[in-house]
Amino acid sequence: AQSVSQHNHHVILSEAASLELGCNYSYGGTVNLFWYVQYPGQHLQLLLKYFSGDPLVKGIKGFEAEFIKSKFSFNLRKPSVQWSDTAEYFCAVKSAGGTDKLIFGTGTRLQVFP
Amino acid sequence: DTGVSQNPRHKITKRGQNVTFRCDPISEHNRLYWYRQTLGQGPEFLTYFQNEAQLEKSRLLSDRFSAERPKGSFSTLEIQRTEQGDSAMYLCASSSSGTGHYGYTFGSGTRLTVV
Repeated sequence: AQSVSQHNHHVILSEAASLELGCNYSYGGTVNLFWYVQYPGQHLQLLLKYFSGDPLVKGIKGFEAEFIKSKFSFNLRKPSVQWSDTAEYFCAVKSAGGTDKLIFGTGTRLQVFP
Repeated sequence: DTGVSQNPRHKITKRGQNVTFRCDPISEHNRLYWYRQTLGQGPEFLTYFQNEAQLEKSRLLSDRFSAERPKGSFSTLEIQRTEQGDSAMYLCASSSSGTGHYGYTFGSGTRLTVV
């Protein structure tokens, strides 16, 4: 069965620090990968997605993620975080061409202090 | 606002009561999904529809849960004989198949508290 692991449950950073959030998935076939963000009191929003092609994907608000197939990873990065990036971040995987459901990780809570 | 709309936003009910939630997707989206999220967890898939057809149901969806999308537009999720373990945020999302721009749009959710 598919699964997603996010090992960083809670990350605390100062503004301007660099961010990397880990995401590993378990699935033997071709996958589509996603990062969603949930700001306090708001609904889940898509940050970026990977379907195929260039494994380095750029998303909104300066975020990017790199798909490393050999490591089953899709880590999220941002060179310099802002206080407004404080949110919960969820990695998700979908079987490409298969069932349409997303499997989410447990999320990483990011707190950025000014 | 043309996003995914969910009603009610909050629902408090006594154990054993039935509750029904409604989701209005983005009008041009033919796929609609229900997820459940508990504290400290990511969203868990419950079921999804393409138009009015329910294409997949999770094993999480016990016999007490039923979802419908009668005309391929809005959807309802009903929970019968609620239990305290049903307390969670119920999320609805929609998407459009076949566009090559896959990505759900989520609603703000309905928070259910069973007392």
